[in-house]
Amino acid sequence: GNSVTQMEGPVTLSEEAFLTINCTYTATGYPSLFWYVQYPGEGLQLLLKATKADDKGSNKGFEATYRKETTSFHLEKGSVQVSDSAVYFCALYDAGYSTLTFGKGTMLLVSP
Amino acid sequence: GAVVSQHPSWVICKSGTSVKIECRSLDFQATTMFWYRQFPKQSLMLMATSNEGSKATYEQGVEKDKFLINHASLTLSTLTVTSAHPEDSSFYICSALGPGGLASSYNEQFFGPGTRLTVL
Repeated sequence: GNSVTQMEGPVTLSEEAFLTINCTYTATGYPSLFWYVQYPGEGLQLLLKATKADDKGSNKGFEATYRKETTSFHLEKGSVQVSDSAVYFCALYDAGYSTLTFGKGTMLLVSP
Repeated sequence: GAVVSQHPSWVICKSGTSVKIECRSLDFQATTMFWYRQFPKQSLMLMATSNEGSKATYEQGVEKDKFLINHASLTLSTLTVTSAHPEDSSFYICSALGPGGLASSYNEQFFGPGTRLTVL
């Protein structure tokens, strides 16, 4: 079956630090990959996506590249802000299934 | 973009009562909606898939008689937690499958803001 593995958090950074949150996946088909963000007390919001190998998703300064050879989709941001503090979920969508498969989420805490 | 709303955003109820949570797609029709449950510091656990006009498909281990799902229209799905108990306290999130439909190779899910249920 499909699965998504994320690095465990929390990840604690100072403002303007570089961020990497690792995500690897296992899938039987050719999935689309996503990063969702969940701010405290809110539902999930799509942050970025990539639908095929070598695609780079980007949004709000965050980037992730779909690496088929390493089955990875690591999230990066060059300079984090306090407002980026949230839980980040890596997910995949496989057309053979009808819904997303989520990782366990990684909490990011950014201090001033 | 597509917007999904949930109501209520939070609810507190007494043990033994039933609680209904609504999930609406505001600007698109959703033939398929999903209900998730999220425990503190955990990922989303898919509870059931709701298809308009048919019975919901429940994931293994989810009690059908306890978590009643109704998807009576293309814009509304409801989750009723029957005879709620403290262990049912959780964050419930719905999502709606985007306008692409199941035939598309890529189907984006749009998530509601969630409902915090606390059972006393």
